[in-house]
Amino acid sequence: GNSVTQMEGPVTLSEEAFLTINCTYTATGYPSLFWYVQYPGEGLQLLLKATKADDKGSNKGFEATYRKETTSFHLEKGSVQVSDSAVYFCALIFTGGGNKLTFGTGTQLKVEL
Amino acid sequence: GAVVSQHPSWVICKSGTSVKIECRSLDFQATTMFWYRQFPKQSLMLMATSNEGSKATYEQGVEKDKFLINHASLTLSTLTVTSAHPEDSSFYICSARERGGGRVGFEQYFGPGTRLTVT
Repeated sequence: GNSVTQMEGPVTLSEEAFLTINCTYTATGYPSLFWYVQYPGEGLQLLLKATKADDKGSNKGFEATYRKETTSFHLEKGSVQVSDSAVYFCALIFTGGGNKLTFGTGTQLKVEL
Repeated sequence: GAVVSQHPSWVICKSGTSVKIECRSLDFQATTMFWYRQFPKQSLMLMATSNEGSKATYEQGVEKDKFLINHASLTLSTLTVTSAHPEDSSFYICSARERGGGRVGFEQYFGPGTRLTVT
């Protein structure tokens, strides 16, 4: 079946540090890939997405590239801010699977001054 | 746009009682809504897919008689936890997919979640 594996958190960084959150997936075929962000007390928000190999999704300074050869979709940001503190979920959707999202376990990011 | 609300945001109920959680799409029509359960420090687990005007499709291992889902209109789906027990305590999140939205119809908009505590 389809699955998503994320690095465990929490990840604690100082403001302006470089962020990488690893995400790899297992799927039959070529899914679309997503990063969602969940701020404290809120629901999930779509951060960025990529629908085919070599696509780069980007938003709010975050970016991730769909790497088919390594089945990865790592999230990066060059300079994090305290306001980026949240839980980040990597997810995939496979159109042959009833359009159901499969989520990773989430990675908590804490950014300190 | 694409706002999804849930009500209540948190609820405490006694063991053996039932509780209803509402999920509404506020500014769009949602032909499909999804219900998830999230345990502390864990991922979202899809419980069921709800299509307007038809019966919900439950994921394997989810008791349909315990978690009753109704999707009576294009903007409202409800999840009723019947005869709740402490092990049902969790964070329940809904999402909605816009009618005709997206090339493959995959864009989902998430509600803020409902914290259920069963005592």
